[in-house]
Amino acid sequence: DQQVKQNSPSLSVQEGRISILNCDYTNSMFDYFLWYKKYPAEGPTFLISISSIKDKNEDGRFTVFLNKSAKHLSLHIVPSQPGDSAVYFCAAGGSARQLTFGSGTQLTVLP
Amino acid sequence: NAGVMQNPRHLVRRRGQEARLRCSPMKGHSHVYWYRQLPEEGLKFMVYLQKENIIDESGMPKERFSAEFPKEGPSILRIQQVVRGDSAAYFCASSPDRVVDTQYFGPGTRLTVL
Repeated sequence: DQQVKQNSPSLSVQEGRISILNCDYTNSMFDYFLWYKKYPAEGPTFLISISSIKDKNEDGRFTVFLNKSAKHLSLHIVPSQPGDSAVYFCAAGGSARQLTFGSGTQLTVLP
Repeated sequence: NAGVMQNPRHLVRRRGQEARLRCSPMKGHSHVYWYRQLPEEGLKFMVYLQKENIIDESGMPKERFSAEFPKEGPSILRIQQVVRGDSAAYFCASSPDRVVDTQYFGPGTRLTVL
């Protein structure tokens, strides 16, 4: 039973345009959400997080939106850069502290 | 401030051998988590530890796998009598002692079982 789903395994975007990565969850007990970026043969790198009491959090080129009623969150990257090409994982956490990860979306930013 | 450190980065074992994976958390972090990533999948939680205590091992296979985080030294994930299905990337993460906080990941140990 996948509690966190990233339905798009891959996404290609032109440099300078907006990248939108999506994530859906089923467990209403999750109360914070994170996005990680991962390069091959490296560990996930934390990008941005959002608490369930907010609907938006912004950090530079990265913005995360949370729609609790739809159990949906998205990561916007604008403008996209070739160095953003990586696998992006959505993760959700609750009182148990363990994180539940989606299966990832491979973002390719084309120059 | 050094990040989460894991060693070895790559580990090759034959079936039936033991694998020991080490993790040193970030300075000031007292919570350690282990995750496993199988090929083409996301990371799956295995175990959550604080110093000298296992807090949550609900993701750990019941047999052959064990974890510890002693008072002194790194956290150890031990896999006894490895099988080919144990081949995966094993990631350790740490977080500070707050109710909810970001987990920071190490570079991982890639275990290959021949």
